[in-house]
This record gives sequence, C-alpha cells and structure tokens, in this order.
Amino acid sequence: SYVLTQPPSVSVAPGQTARITCGGDNIGSRNVHWYQQKPGRAPSLLMYYDSERPSGVPGRFSGSNSGNTATLTISWVEAGDEADYYCQVSESSSDHPRIFGGGTKLTVL
Amino acid sequence: EVQLVESGGGLVQPGGSLRLSCAVSGFTFSTYAMSWVRQAPGKGLEWVSIISNSGDTTSNADSVKGRFTVSRDNSNNTLYLLMSSLRAEDTAVYYCAKDVRASIYTSGHFDYWGQGTLVTVSS
Repeated sequence: SYVLTQPPSVSVAPGQTARITCGGDNIGSRNVHWYQQKPGRAPSLLMYYDSERPSGVPGRFSGSNSGNTATLTISWVEAGDEADYYCQVSESSSDHPRIFGGGTKLTVL
Repeated sequence: EVQLVESGGGLVQPGGSLRLSCAVSGFTFSTYAMSWVRQAPGKGLEWVSIISNSGDTTSNADSVKGRFTVSRDNSNNTLYLLMSSLRAEDTAVYYCAKDVRASIYTSGHFDYWGQGTLVTVSS
C-alpha cells in the first residue's frame, strides 16, 4: 500500500519558520491533509486539501504539495506550536482508504 | 457543537474481546463515513477501520483484519468497534473520527475526533 514518509523530528527557534515534509510517490497528485496533536490531546485537523485551513487555524500555518513532497509550513513559530504533526492521504481504490504518515515532533527551542 | 465520545476501553487479557462505542452528536450521523484510529503508547496514528455512512461498506487495516469488526447504529448515532482475539500489540488509545465523505472509497479526511479510550491488552 501507499507509504507516507515524515521526518521524526524538526526543531526551530521561536519566531523562525518550520517546514515539515511528507513524502510519497507522486503525492502531488493526491489531496494531503495535516493534523496537529498536542501532548495528551486528541489530534485535530490543521490543514486539508493541501492548503486549506479550517476556521480557527492561524494564517501562520500554510501548506503546499507538488511532485513527491507535501510541506506544512509554520511561520513565526510560537512555543504553543510544539506538537506532533501527521500527514494523511486517501487510497480510493484499495483496502486502505485512509493512510497516515509516521508523524513529526516539532520542538520549539 | 459536534461531539464524539468513546467508551468501552479497559484492561483485557490476550485472546479476549472488547467492544468500543462512540456516541456522536451535533451533526447528521447517517450522512458521513466514520473511522477508528489508534495510537499505541509513544507511537504515531494508525488508521484501523472505516465504515460508510449507511454501514454497507467497511474496510480494515491488515493488522486487524479478521479480528476487528466496525459497525454503526444510525438510529442511535453510535459507532462500534468489536475487537476479538486481542493481542498485546493492540494496546493503544482508540479514537473515533468523523469523515468528511459518505463513501469510504472517495478521497476524505477527518474533521472531528473524539478524546479516545484506552485499551490495554495484558495478562
């Protein structure tokens, strides 16, 4: 089945820009969605259809998707952004309709 | 307000069974597919099972195929996961999640999640 690859960790200083990647074969042809999970909490939808933000998600969060890599970009990183981030795609015609990446832990230095 | 509330988790011996429930409110339950997603301690998210809005189509991850059964009661706005032949590696927090689609075979994602229920498989 389709595999999504994320770096296990990304570290960034406050006020800087964090980029979290999600790699997959021709992922640019798929819709990519992102979830944020803070410690001890359930995941929440952060970005959908590559670059759409649900209401309430700050504009500091943006997304892009092209070729073999989708990217979640967090500008002006704040301490409160420290969390695990997961990408997700769909496999419409398979036994695994929903697929998650392994997750990336964002550490704010 | 959309709410998803899981229940039914607990300690179970290897080889045992457990049924999880997810009671939902705040949206028209029968319109959307629903999934179970689990997270082992210290690990990432793993999609487990999905069921279409009407309940006529389901799919399960290879890791639980033949052991877990997802079902739903649209008249009572409740999603279920019947887990049997449980193994230590099934130990995880189990989340129910609302899909944005009705069908399991169209591209979708999860816009609402419950708080999760912990399942521990141990002797």
